[in-house]
Amino acid sequence: DVKVTQSSRYLVKRTGEKVFLECVQDMDHENMFWYRQDPGLGLRLIYFSYDVKMKEKGDIPEGYSVSREKKERFSLILESASTNQTSMYLCASSLPPRTSGPNEQFFGPGTRLTVL
Amino acid sequence: AQKVTQAQTEISVVEKEDVTLDCVYETRDTTYYLFWYKQPPSGELVFLIRRNSFDEQNEISGRYSWNFQKSTSSFNFTITASQVVDSAVYFCAGTEDLGAGNMLTFGGGTRLMVKP
Repeated sequence: DVKVTQSSRYLVKRTGEKVFLECVQDMDHENMFWYRQDPGLGLRLIYFSYDVKMKEKGDIPEGYSVSREKKERFSLILESASTNQTSMYLCASSLPPRTSGPNEQFFGPGTRLTVL
Repeated sequence: AQKVTQAQTEISVVEKEDVTLDCVYETRDTTYYLFWYKQPPSGELVFLIRRNSFDEQNEISGRYSWNFQKSTSSFNFTITASQVVDSAVYFCAGTEDLGAGNMLTFGGGTRLMVKP
């Protein structure tokens, strides 16, 4: 059974703290993604990675950084957490696109982060 | 830039009713790919279907069916004889990107509540 796991389901941090969100996939996927989900806004892409040590900014990268040292692990880092980063964070992975089109993304259960 | 519109933020039906979730994908490209995902209360998005813009055939899978109309860029999702287990948030997403990352743009989601 394919799996994307995230290190925490719930996390509470204080303003200014450095926060690490970890994501691990066991499907040997090249692509990994970090999204945040807010009511009414759907999912918005923060960063994605298409290979080890490779990363690309998504739609809302400000205030975030990422790290991909191993193929199976993709970390999202909030250098100095702020209250407007309170959100649900979702990690996903996928194979690269085929000539017939993109492959589906597989999602983790999400981390609900609250910044006080 | 592309945009995904799910005009219905919330729908409530009684079990066994049919329900249709709307999705419109705005893009200037003629080739694009559309997806539907389901997010049950557990939080993990589950892939339902992928559709290419050059394939206008409708698709049926059990109680689920999808109707794609290229003229209106709509990709609507119908659940026949709804059940309580269908209660979830449903996301429509799209991309023209066949680059390394195949980044998706998501709609705001439609929360479906099926009452017994």
